[in-house]
Amino acid sequence: SQQGEEDPQALSIQEGENATMNCSYKTSINNLQWYRQNSGRGLVHLILIRSNEREKHSGRLRVTLDTSKKSSSLLITASRAADTASYFCATDERGSTLGRLYFGRGTQLTVWP
Amino acid sequence: DAGITQSPRYKITETGRQVTLMCHQTWSHSYMFWYRQDLGHGLRLIYYSAAADITDKGEVPDGYVVSRSKTENFPLTLESATRSQTSVYFCASSDGAGGVETQYFGPGTRLLVL
Repeated sequence: SQQGEEDPQALSIQEGENATMNCSYKTSINNLQWYRQNSGRGLVHLILIRSNEREKHSGRLRVTLDTSKKSSSLLITASRAADTASYFCATDERGSTLGRLYFGRGTQLTVWP
Repeated sequence: DAGITQSPRYKITETGRQVTLMCHQTWSHSYMFWYRQDLGHGLRLIYYSAAADITDKGEVPDGYVVSRSKTENFPLTLESATRSQTSVYFCASSDGAGGVETQYFGPGTRLLVL
């Protein structure tokens, strides 16, 4: 299936450090998105990068996309305890049903004060 | 309030009972989705809908039924609940504008089947 795979499964860092999460996927895409899920909550959209883009920034977030390697990374700079959450990548699938996304299993990020 | 809501938020039921989980969105989004989230599996798509009266199966549709008679509502029914359907269920919607499929998620329903 197209489901993305995040790496690592879990990441534990101190406040102020940078956190990097990776996502790999299998088939051609139109765009890739990253979502955050706080414990006990629904997912929240963070950032979208299109297949013709290589890098995108939003505040402390930086996303890169390498379509030749079918991979993406999410960098959170100067992390805070409030960044503690699970992070999921989601891809569509070029040529498939519009609207459908494929989610990975997520990276659990813990930021210690 | 505007947004996407789910009810109930928590539900305990017994094996064999029918359960309906409700999802309502106020944005008039065309697309709506039901996912289940289980440890080790991430998010798995159960059913989705591209518009009123149009639904399609996702990865794990067995044991579930959906309907979409109105754009804003997308109920999910477990016809005869089983223990394996114990999970957290999320509803989501998107408008698909410009080919962008950003999804907006509800708060989830935690279902326990005894």
